[in-house]
Amino acid sequence: EAQVTQNPRYLITVTGKKLTVTCSQNMNHEYMSWYRQDPGLGLRQIYYSMNVEVTDKGDVPEGYKVSRKEKRNFPLILESPSPNQTSLYFCASRAFGRKETQYFGPGTRLLVL
Amino acid sequence: DAKTTQPPSMDCAEGRAANLPCNHSTISGNEYVYWYRQIHSQGPQYIIHGLKNNETNEMASLIITEDRKSSTLILPHATLRDTAVYYCIVSSTGANNLFFGTGTRLTVIP
Repeated sequence: EAQVTQNPRYLITVTGKKLTVTCSQNMNHEYMSWYRQDPGLGLRQIYYSMNVEVTDKGDVPEGYKVSRKEKRNFPLILESPSPNQTSLYFCASRAFGRKETQYFGPGTRLLVL
Repeated sequence: DAKTTQPPSMDCAEGRAANLPCNHSTISGNEYVYWYRQIHSQGPQYIIHGLKNNETNEMASLIITEDRKSSTLILPHATLRDTAVYYCIVSSTGANNLFFGTGTRLTVIP
């Protein structure tokens, strides 16, 4: 079954404690991206990757890092989380040039105290 | 990418057609119109897309005006499971990203 998986699904942490949210897809998609969703602000893109070792900033990259060492994985790293990063996070992947094939993961709900 | 304008919310009676409008008056010739929806807090799901012709699939129909400055997503027989936030997105094939905005919250009423 074609899918995008994220872990963990729920996370409560404290300010400054480094964390990683993993994202994996099994569709051999070139393009992967991370979004955050906050009430009243819709979905905003954090980072995206066009292929292995190619990443670029989205609309709200501050406070986040990503890496793309393998095609299937695209982890989101918060080096020093802050309360304003409390949000619902989605990973997505698609075939390059095929925006209609964008698949989303189930979401990770993060609370930073 | 062109900006879109959608009403923040709409209601529709169960079994009736839901018509969701979207304005994209600054759309350019190589930009497609995409529709996605998000049910509760799940990841968004693709519905349909088009360039200038009307499109229909098993989920919905997309009507794009002749000047391409607006479009309407039609769910022909809305069910309670169609209650969701619907996003209208305009993007060119060469652009890297989909800008989702805040969408229209559709509530299907029994």
